[in-house]
Amino acid sequence: GESVGLHLPTLSVQEGDNSIINCAYSNSASDYFIWYKQESGKGPQFIIDIRSNMDKRQGQRVTVLLNKTVKHLSLQIAATQPGDSAVYFCAENRGSGGGADGLTFGKGTHLIIQP
Amino acid sequence: GAGVSQSPSNKVTEKGKDVELRCDPISGHTALYWYRQSLGQGLEFLIYFQGNSAPDKSGLPSDRFSAERTGGSVSTLTIQRTQQEDSAVYLCASSPGGTGYGYTFGSGTRLTVV
Repeated sequence: GESVGLHLPTLSVQEGDNSIINCAYSNSASDYFIWYKQESGKGPQFIIDIRSNMDKRQGQRVTVLLNKTVKHLSLQIAATQPGDSAVYFCAENRGSGGGADGLTFGKGTHLIIQP
Repeated sequence: GAGVSQSPSNKVTEKGKDVELRCDPISGHTALYWYRQSLGQGLEFLIYFQGNSAPDKSGLPSDRFSAERTGGSVSTLTIQRTQQEDSAVYLCASSPGGTGYGYTFGSGTRLTVV
């Protein structure tokens, strides 16, 4: 079925290293993708987005890559810091107009930063 | 307001009781969404509002769940005759509406049914 999923439930990295969180999606009609960060006890927070007419977008210490050929989305975090510890969700919008069914979220990857 | 506000932040209720969860979206945001998040899980879509109407209620898990939105602003999610499996964090989000916008989430209401 159509879904957005993540390859790993938990990712552990050393502080200062770069992190890569992956996401696979199955709906080729999806035209907009977002990464969210959710810290414990808080709601998801928008990090970065990308539209399907792009394959890369950079923010502050974060880069999102989109590979439409294999339906793969990734979030790269440079020089990870303790404050990056959180659950990261990818989400897709299927372009059905007006967000009629909302964003579809993956189950999340828990990023753990080791000191 | 500056962000999406949800109340209460925590709610403990007895099985069989009704509960109401409230969401105050960002002023001017026409789209409002309710999601449910069980422990260690992703986000389950419940319902979407555009203005006061709900074009998509497909995510509501049973007829015990209902939601309304008045004045294009505040929304209330009501769960009747709560069951233990209703225990979860209920998240509300709003957006300017239309495609291609990220959502702003509230901090959620943690519902525990005992």
